[in-house]
Amino acid sequence: GAVVSQHPSRVICKSGTSVKIECRSLDFQATTMFWYRQFPKQSLMLMATSNEGSKATYEQGVEKDKFLINHASLTLSTLTVTSAHPEDSSFYICSARDRRTGGAVGGNTIYFGEGSWLTVV
Amino acid sequence: DAKTTQPNSMESNEEEPVHLPCNHSTISGTDYIHWYRQLPSQGPEYVIHGLTSNVNNRMASLAIAEDRKSSTLILHRATLRDAAVYYCILSGGSQGNLIFGKGTKLSVKP
Repeated sequence: GAVVSQHPSRVICKSGTSVKIECRSLDFQATTMFWYRQFPKQSLMLMATSNEGSKATYEQGVEKDKFLINHASLTLSTLTVTSAHPEDSSFYICSARDRRTGGAVGGNTIYFGEGSWLTVV
Repeated sequence: DAKTTQPNSMESNEEEPVHLPCNHSTISGTDYIHWYRQLPSQGPEYVIHGLTSNVNNRMASLAIAEDRKSSTLILHRATLRDAAVYYCILSGGSQGNLIFGKGTKLSVKP
């Protein structure tokens, strides 16, 4: 299957600083990428949908000024956690929709990255 | 997004088939049924998806009820590496985003 890569896999940052996580689709172009957050022993929570060349659409309750998403190319989306605090520590996962895999949007396969552990100290 | 209902956990013996059920009684005509699985500290792995007809791939089979209100993921011969949380998700809408539920934690005994 297609590959989606995230970087870094683990990052530790000081409280009040910002940290950027990259998500790349390695062998396909992704007009749409998604960002999730997952706390221990919980399911994935969708944070935002990122469309290439346009502003991201955030889920209710997700602060757009805190979680900045940029999807500047068809293979790269970035999530920047600004002014991070310990409660932002979590497992962040991106995914990308592969349009080659089916006609209807709902039928496209979505591939996930390996995830990025963020620890704010 | 339409919701799915899955058992919290299931157990299986190694090398035996596993049938993971999923109920989605409020599915709409355009919703696809997707299955993913996740190991601890890893991103979800795509397993299979379908719309109306049963689907087979190298990993699993997906059996979809005629009324589409339920589906079953079939692992033909469970291995220890199949132990994971399995998510059944409906995908539709303009963006096709996936909203995860709690999934089924599958344990495989040797």
